[in-house]
Amino acid sequence: NAGVMQNPRHLVRRRGQEARLRCSPMKGHSHVYWYRQLPEEGLKFMVYLQKENIIDESGMPKERFSAEFPKEGPSILRIQQVVRGDSAAYFCASSPRGQTNTGELFFGEGSRLTVL
Amino acid sequence: AQSVTQLDSQVPVFEEAPVELRCNYSSSVSVYLFWYVQYPNQGLQLLLKYLSGSTLVESINGFEAEFNKSQTSFHLRKPSVHISDTAEYFCAVREGSGGYQKVTFGTGTKLQVIP
Repeated sequence: NAGVMQNPRHLVRRRGQEARLRCSPMKGHSHVYWYRQLPEEGLKFMVYLQKENIIDESGMPKERFSAEFPKEGPSILRIQQVVRGDSAAYFCASSPRGQTNTGELFFGEGSRLTVL
Repeated sequence: AQSVTQLDSQVPVFEEAPVELRCNYSSSVSVYLFWYVQYPNQGLQLLLKYLSGSTLVESINGFEAEFNKSQTSFHLRKPSVHISDTAEYFCAVREGSGGYQKVTFGTGTKLQVIP
């Protein structure tokens, strides 16, 4: 499967635990974006990363949330000390770099976090 | 800053009837415009896009959208819907011309096709 891969698809955590969501972009893509989707609120941009660099984190909450995209391996969105309000679907998208980047995003199937 | 407005959160329509899903955007520069479709429990898939050239763009499954610069709109239309079109549709905008530009999504419109 050459598409964007996200795991886990479903994650249940208790308040105060940590959640780690992983995303492997499409082959040949070096840009990764994370979005959060809440009912009736659409997709909210969180962070944009390239390999080993955070380009734009203007949508990330100031506390408890972090993201990385290491030189090797998937991008990871980390949520520490989760609260019920963190329950949502988290989508990863990727895009190619350079002249082929028209803004089209290729999405994974999402990771659905439920905080008990 | 760019923004996208989808005024209709839900649109019910009978099978084989026409439908229009509205999208208006706000931007001070040239834009790229997109419609994405999301089926239940899946990620978003690109439906169609406007980058430049002809203002009318079409998808392979019968949808079309027209870029109207004067009205800052990019409404999505289909002359005859099928049950399989039931999904949520998101309009998105990216401010154009090179480099990194954030893609901003609307709040989505749920299309419910009634048999």
